[in-house]
Amino acid sequence: GENVEQHPSTLSVQEGDSAVIKCTYSDSASNYFPWYKQELGKRPQLIIDIRSNVGEKKDQRIAVTLNKTAKHFSLHITETQPEDSAVYFCAAADNNDMRFGAGTRLTVKP
Amino acid sequence: DAGVTQSPTHLIKTRGQQVTLRCSPISGHKSVSWYQQVLGQGPQFIFQYYEKEERGRGNFPDRFSARQFPNYSSELNVNALLLGDSALYLCASSSLRTAHTGELFFGEGSRLTVL
Repeated sequence: GENVEQHPSTLSVQEGDSAVIKCTYSDSASNYFPWYKQELGKRPQLIIDIRSNVGEKKDQRIAVTLNKTAKHFSLHITETQPEDSAVYFCAAADNNDMRFGAGTRLTVKP
Repeated sequence: DAGVTQSPTHLIKTRGQQVTLRCSPISGHKSVSWYQQVLGQGPQFIFQYYEKEERGRGNFPDRFSARQFPNYSSELNVNALLLGDSALYLCASSSLRTAHTGELFFGEGSRLTVL
């Protein structure tokens, strides 16, 4: 199986600043890379995803980049807002399995 | 529209007991996956079912079992509970046969405490 490493484990930024969360994976068969946001006491919800045939994807203030050669992918949040505060999980998946990182607790200070 | 529903929301068991957790997927979704989320960690894949057949299994002992019913709802059973089984158990539904290649819709989870 594969492991997904996620960094940093905690991240604190000032409102309006950017936040970057990085993940690495080990299984070259991975072809789908989603990011989930989990607010305190709530269910994880998909915020953005990227497939292995794409290098970058953007949705308003959120973007994800993928480097398949290096087995790295990253989440970028620009112009952060207090409501972005949550735990963010990256994941790497193939047809059989989805493995999540340990999560990054993002705090956006007003 | 109803999302993924899970029951019970909270339960407390003692070591050695057995537990059954239930999940109803979003209407029209035929795939159900189960995940274990230990406090401070990401969800860990346990099982995936599609059209009542097991499509995938994570690295969990045989004490864990699951099934899917004709209406696509699902049950997760854990026998001989250990303290380490204490976790939030998440169910996720998908419209895809290969559920791990698209969005998963999670329920609120069942929080199991083993004493």
